[in-house]
Parts: sequence; C-alpha cells; structure tokens
Amino acid sequence: NAGVTQTPKFQVLKTGQSMTLQCAQDMNHNSMYWYRQDPGMGLRLIYYSASEGTTDKGEVPNGYNVSRLNKREFSLRLESAAPSQTSVYFCASSGEVLGTSHTFGSGTRLTVV
Amino acid sequence: SQQGEEDPQALSIQEGENATMNCSYKTSINNLQWYRQNSGRGLVHLILIRSNEREKHSGRLRVTLDTSKKSSSLLITASRAADTASYFCATFKAAGNKLTFGGGTRVLVKP
Repeated sequence: NAGVTQTPKFQVLKTGQSMTLQCAQDMNHNSMYWYRQDPGMGLRLIYYSASEGTTDKGEVPNGYNVSRLNKREFSLRLESAAPSQTSVYFCASSGEVLGTSHTFGSGTRLTVV
Repeated sequence: SQQGEEDPQALSIQEGENATMNCSYKTSINNLQWYRQNSGRGLVHLILIRSNEREKHSGRLRVTLDTSKKSSSLLITASRAADTASYFCATFKAAGNKLTFGGGTRVLVKP
C-alpha cells in the first residue's frame, strides 16, 4: 500500500546546480503529475504525463524537464536551479488524465540558495 | 489566476462544532474536488462532485455545488482535533484538460 513514493524528502541546492526528483506509483495508474506548492498558495501544475511515453506542459513548466520512464515512474529535473524554484514539490497519479481524483506523494521540500 | 478561491482563508473552531468553507470559481467546470492537507504532508482526496450533482455526502463531510453561482461548500460536522488541516478545492475543466487548485482554507479545531 505504498501509493505514490517521492524521493528525496528534503534537498538544498546551490544556484545553478542540477537535480532530479524521483516519483514512483504502484497503483497501475496511467497518468502522473508534478506540482509545486508555494506558501499560502494552492498547487500549480508543472508537467503531466497522460500515459507512458507522453508528457505535456502544465501551468509553470519553465526551468523544468520531465521523463516518464515507464508506467510507474515519472521524474522531474531541474537543470540549473534558481532561488525562485524554492518550493515544495508534489508528485501525483490518477487513473485518467485529470478529471478524476489524484493520489499524492508526501512531497519534496527543495531550497535553492 | 486561480480558478478556485476558498473562503475563509483561515477558520478556528471548537471541537464538536461544524466547519464550513466555500469555494468560488470563474468558468464552467466538469467536476469539483476537495482535498485535505495535513501539515507537511501530501494532499488527500476527500470527495468529488460532478457538475450535474448538487450535493454529496461522505461520512461527516457534506459538499454542495451550485453551478449557477459557480460556488461549492464543504461542511465538516462534529469536528475533531484530527480535522485540523488545510482544505483545498480543485476544479476540473475537460476543455483544456485542467485541474486547478485554490489557495486553501486553514482549519484549526481546538480541543
């Protein structure tokens, strides 16, 4: 009953460094998503993957890239981190593209200094 | 801009009281979803109401949807300290295929 697993839980980066956030789900869901949550705000969609082999931009894709490695795994990469990317990142999955309820991971708290 | 806007932004009540929060949105939707987020955790889905539904219940939760007013409400009855969390509404539009979250209502239930 793991659901959606994200790693790491915490990360501190220096400006310009790169890193990849990992996400895996074990619910056989087709769709996966990456969101960011900033203080006092709701979640904003960065990228999503409707199915294995496809990815699409969300509301705030600039500065990020994604890879849908297989049906289970969806990674988010920051090529050159900026302080504006300091945020909490959540991965989620659902059985269909949006429209239905999401299952969320526990989040990655990223600080860029 | 956010499609869903919750009101109030924060709510403090005593255990046993009811908590009501509202969500307003700007354009037509296909469904509206409510999520709970405990501090430092991911969001947990509570309830989904479709645009052709007016009310849904789940345990101590009651959700209403008024598409003419473009608003929804979440009622938590007989609140418990464990209900302390942030609550978010999210609206889904098939056109554009978007699920958009509001800024949330922080609920504090005092024992």
